[in-house]
Amino acid sequence: LAKTTQPISMDSYEGQEVNITCSHNNIATNDYITWYQQFPSQGPRFIIQGYKTKVTNEVASLFIPADRKSSTLSLPRVSLSDTAVYYCLVGDRYTGFQKLVFGTGTRLLVSP
Amino acid sequence: ETGVTQTPRHLVMGMTNKKSLKCEQHLGHNAMYWYKQSAKKPLELMFVYSLEERVENNSVPSRFSPECPNSSHLFLHLHTLQPEDSALYLCASSQQPGWRTRAGELFFGEGSRLTVL
Repeated sequence: LAKTTQPISMDSYEGQEVNITCSHNNIATNDYITWYQQFPSQGPRFIIQGYKTKVTNEVASLFIPADRKSSTLSLPRVSLSDTAVYYCLVGDRYTGFQKLVFGTGTRLLVSP
Repeated sequence: ETGVTQTPRHLVMGMTNKKSLKCEQHLGHNAMYWYKQSAKKPLELMFVYSLEERVENNSVPSRFSPECPNSSHLFLHLHTLQPEDSALYLCASSQQPGWRTRAGELFFGEGSRLTVL
């Protein structure tokens, strides 16, 4: 399984754009990149998934360079409610997701 | 509301007790998972069931015993636990590959907070 590395924590202010980068140097050809958000005492919640280039949905964008050895989750104009832990996961979409392994994640603190 | 319901939300038990955690998913998924999250630690995958068969057991002590009677229900039976087993236990479900829905997306319940005295 590809190992992921993320910053342990990040600080931001309301209204700013936040970019969290995840390194996954050993990503395999069939691996997808998935990001989750977790609030205290709750289960993680799926944010976005991608394979290459750029993916955008109503809450975030995911940028993946051509070599796919890293990815960047972009949260536009964060608010206080975006304070959470963000996890980057890498896994085979068709078989490896059964063994999804969460790392330590990035703890994002948004201040007024 | 994620479609995955866990009960009880909070549980306090002694080391000699026997209790069970229950998880139910209303999403029509066919894979279910138990994760453990201790304070300030990453989520640890404990068990995976696919089509009601256990496909993964990450070296979990035998004092934790899972049961998956059907694709909608998952239990975690607990007995003779240790204080270090105190944690948030999270259940998740997902759809297996081959379906049109996005494969690999996990839907988590809100967890059962377990305290072992």
